[in-house]
Amino acid sequence: GIQVEQSPPDLILQEGANSTLRCNFSDSVNNLQWFHQNPWGQLINLFYIPSGTKQNGRLSATTVATERYSLLYISSSQTTDSGVYFCAVIGNQFYFGTGTSLTVIP
Amino acid sequence: GAGVSQSPSNKVTEKGKDVELRCDPISGHTALYWYRQSLGQGLEFLIYFQGNSAPDKSGLPSDRFSAERTGGSVSTLTIQRTQQEDSAVYLCASSLASGTGELFFGEGSRLTVL
Repeated sequence: GIQVEQSPPDLILQEGANSTLRCNFSDSVNNLQWFHQNPWGQLINLFYIPSGTKQNGRLSATTVATERYSLLYISSSQTTDSGVYFCAVIGNQFYFGTGTSLTVIP
Repeated sequence: GAGVSQSPSNKVTEKGKDVELRCDPISGHTALYWYRQSLGQGLEFLIYFQGNSAPDKSGLPSDRFSAERTGGSVSTLTIQRTQQEDSAVYLCASSLASGTGELFFGEGSRLTVL
């Protein structure tokens, strides 16, 4: 299957700081998604992004499929951004990275 | 339905008992996926269905685990003779078709085996 690596594995931020999360994948994929798993365990769809850049409020994502990576940008972080961020790539099924655990401190 | 629905949301059982977990995907979604997440861990793929068939069962951890899907809609994950190491959150997701379209998750079924 396709290997998906996320970095960093853990991140602690002061409220208001910006951050960049990275997702590398090992093979050509049909598509890519970013999820946020909140502290209650719910997986929330953030972006469905095969290529290019998308923005949603303080969050944006860029996928460069030819170079096999995607970036998730969080600006002006808030405590509600805390949780685990997963990247999933789509080959013939969905392959998940091991996630980046983000803690935003007030 | 409007979203992926899973039941029960919580299940506590005794070691050795059988449990059934149910997933009702988004209406019109032909692909359905089961994942397992142990405390503090990532998502472990179990099985996926395209329609009623399961092309990939490679993630099922043992023969105590089985899953079926009938009518191209609801799926049931069955764990026989539960063990303590089966304790986890079992997550179901669906998409329009296998490997296609956006993946949507249910809220999960938390299983605790005493």
